[in-house]
Amino acid sequence: DAEITQSPRHKITETGRQVTLACHQTWNHNNMFWYRQDLGHGLRLIHYSYGVHDTNKGEVSDGYSVSRSNTEDLPLTLESAASSQTSVYFCASSDTVGTYEQYFGPGTRLTVT
Amino acid sequence: GIQVEQSPPDLILQEGANSTLRCNFSDSVNNLQWFHQNPWGQLINLFYIPSGTKQNGRLSATTVATERYSLLYISSSQTTDSGVYFCAVATNSGNTPLVFGKGTRLSVIA
Repeated sequence: DAEITQSPRHKITETGRQVTLACHQTWNHNNMFWYRQDLGHGLRLIHYSYGVHDTNKGEVSDGYSVSRSNTEDLPLTLESAASSQTSVYFCASSDTVGTYEQYFGPGTRLTVT
Repeated sequence: GIQVEQSPPDLILQEGANSTLRCNFSDSVNNLQWFHQNPWGQLINLFYIPSGTKQNGRLSATTVATERYSLLYISSSQTTDSGVYFCAVATNSGNTPLVFGKGTRLSVIA
């Protein structure tokens, strides 16, 4: 079955380190999204992509970057991790035709110490 | 940008009771989804419903796009219904990122 996966599921890192969170989908969806979830804020958009080599900033993009070299993957990089980036990160994907319904991965819990 | 408000923020129900969750949005939408976040943190798609009414077992949803609100009905609630319910919308073509409400936290007690 097609699916969307994230790795790692849990990570602890130190302030200042570079961290990359992986997102992989097998639906062949063109659209991919990264959100973060924090208490009191719901889910907020970090970056998104509508296809290979396309990337766009979301509401809370400072300190994050993405690159899209193929359809299946959209890795999220924290250039220099900060304690404010401790959060749960969700990746999602959707098709460009039909309903545009978004499907979410299981999430990555990141702790920056 | 578009604003999404969900109510109530918290809800406690006895098992077997019915409930209605509401989602108001401030602009016209082309995508509206309801999600259930279970106690393990997983986001589960419940409905894709930019307009109209849908039903899936004990759950149903109605979106009145012209009046900018959506309702999620849960009937005969079970303890497994506990968690947070999110409404999320997208404007324009619908092929845009979702904007989420802050959710309704539901606790169903036996």
